[in-house]
Amino acid sequence: DAGITQSPRHKVTETGTPVTLRCHQTENHRYMYWYRQDPGHGLRLIHYSYGVKDTDKGEVSDGYSVSRSKTEDFLLTLESATSSQTSVYFCAISEKQGSTNQPQHFGDGTRLSIL
Amino acid sequence: SQQGEEDPQALSIQEGENATMNCSYKTSINNLQWYRQNSGRGLVHLILIRSNEREKHSGRLRVTLDTSKKSSSLLITASRAADTASYFCATDRGSTLGRLYFGRGTQLTVWP
Repeated sequence: DAGITQSPRHKVTETGTPVTLRCHQTENHRYMYWYRQDPGHGLRLIHYSYGVKDTDKGEVSDGYSVSRSKTEDFLLTLESATSSQTSVYFCAISEKQGSTNQPQHFGDGTRLSIL
Repeated sequence: SQQGEEDPQALSIQEGENATMNCSYKTSINNLQWYRQNSGRGLVHLILIRSNEREKHSGRLRVTLDTSKKSSSLLITASRAADTASYFCATDRGSTLGRLYFGRGTQLTVWP
């Protein structure tokens, strides 16, 4: 398995509180991604990073921010959590071989409940 | 919006039977990928097929790609109970930035 660790694995918090999820990789891959998975929607990209300090928005970025100060860590922050952000969050990593994007490798997810 | 649309949404078969899942997409692509997700786990990459390829095999998996119809199929031969999982297709929409766009998936159940 690719070396991807997500923390925490489970979290329950209240509406309005800040939440930070961490993704840590040991593969030295350039690209990192945050997705959320909800019933009926599949996986939707929140933000992604194509290098240290280089990030961009995905399809559902409202209410989320990210930071990548080191190659190995990609943080996802919910500044003020809302119930609609209750979901399972997945981190993924990938690399390029020449100009070809390689498959993504996923962590085991963080189950976040916002009450 | 979703790029890949898998069908059927759910598929239930007996061990030993073949399972076929389909994926349709809407834009040009560089490649199409299939992933599996076991309950409570992250996605695992199964196979990648490039836009200039028509068929690819990996063990009991066979993937076809028809770019003229913007569709792909995943065939799992001689299914096992351990193949029970959700299967997703994903495309890059022609991007070289590493982004993938996933469908909603097919839930496959294989009964012993």
